Amino acid sequence: DAKTTQPNSMESNEEEPVHLPCNHSTISGTDYIHWYRQLPSQGPEYVIHGLTSNVNNRMASLAIAEDRKSSTLILHRATLRDAAVYYCILKTGANNLFFGTGTRLTVIP
Amino acid sequence: ETGVTQSPTHLIKTRGQQVTLRCSSQSGHNTVSWYQQALGQGPQFIFQYYREEENGRGNFPPRFSGLQFPNYSSELNVNALELDDSALYLCASSFETGSNYGYTFGSGTRLTVV
Repeated sequence: DAKTTQPNSMESNEEEPVHLPCNHSTISGTDYIHWYRQLPSQGPEYVIHGLTSNVNNRMASLAIAEDRKSSTLILHRATLRDAAVYYCILKTGANNLFFGTGTRLTVIP
Repeated sequence: ETGVTQSPTHLIKTRGQQVTLRCSSQSGHNTVSWYQQALGQGPQFIFQYYREEENGRGNFPPRFSGLQFPNYSSELNVNALELDDSALYLCASSFETGSNYGYTFGSGTRLTVV
């Protein structure tokens, strides 16, 4: 399974934008980039996914590099509720989600 | 639409016993996956069921088994429980198996083996 590399932890001030990076240099042409987050004591929550083009939804934006070897999850205004572990995952076909260790985001009031 | 529901929420079992965990998938979803999450780790894939057939398995021994029912709900069975089986067990459902579909996760069952 193609691997992703994320920083172990990041901090952000409340109400400021947050850019969470992910490197995936071995991505293949059919891999979708998925992001999930896991709040304390909860199951993971789907955030966003994309293939080649940038994607926006009500939760976040996903910016994908032109060569697809990296991507960035953008939270436009961090709130305390956004404090979580964020996982960047490559998914191919019917293969399942294979989680790494993710990035622990701390939001400072 | 309802999300994914898991039962029970917490469970304590003795080493050597057997346990069954249950999952109701989100309405309209035909694919269910199970994950094990140890404390401080990311979830690890156990297996997936698609339209009542096993459709992929992670690196877990045969004493981890499952079922998917015609209504797409699912069970995870673990025989001969070991202390290391203590973990959060997560169920996730999706509309199909393809990579262009997101997964909806339940809140998990916390299993403690003593």
